[in-house]
Amino acid sequence: QQPVQSPQAVILREGEDAVINCSSSKALYSVHWYRQKHGEAPVFLMILLKGGEQKGHEKISASFNEKKQQSSLYLTASQLSYSGTYFCGTGGNNDMRFGAGTRLTVKP
Amino acid sequence: DAGITQSPRYKITETGRQVTLMCHQTWSHSYMFWYRQDLGHGLRLIYYSAAADITDKGEVPDGYVVSRSKTENFPLTLESATRSQTSVYFCASSEGHLASGYTFGSGTRLTVV
Repeated sequence: QQPVQSPQAVILREGEDAVINCSSSKALYSVHWYRQKHGEAPVFLMILLKGGEQKGHEKISASFNEKKQQSSLYLTASQLSYSGTYFCGTGGNNDMRFGAGTRLTVKP
Repeated sequence: DAGITQSPRYKITETGRQVTLMCHQTWSHSYMFWYRQDLGHGLRLIYYSAAADITDKGEVPDGYVVSRSKTENFPLTLESATRSQTSVYFCASSEGHLASGYTFGSGTRLTVV
């Protein structure tokens, strides 16, 4: 089953913050986050392996709530380069399923 | 060059034809994956492979065949292409499956007419 992402789309001004959520109806063993620019391949951002884990990547960070079966991606002080579609991926038996994506647009 | 490469980059084929999409990685990653990407559906898993000669179905395997005789190659074949298989196809590889990030190829845009 695919994880569910929200919101589907968000528009920001440079410097604003955003949160993207990812939830699953199944137990999560790991959560991946990727960003895809238009016409390009998805690029790996980070992975969270344990409940309660938080990670940072410049001004992009994420948390993983194993109990609630959800993860959130935090983008702070957004830059134009943050524009793209963000996907979460959640691990199953031996494969990973991706959410439908959140389109983030950062405007000057 | 090191990395993961897909070919062709673009392909137009007719309904009913067989077409093979190629994927090659140079890292000797154990895991390889094929996803298709369609508007509104995100990335959907077609097939994956945990090692040479080991393959398994994903969410949407119907109409596709894969093989993995060598670790570095993971071709995807559409046995008899249909218009519903028009999509962008991404190959990915990973060292450790869920515990390691996936690296994606540049994609193949396939149009079935």
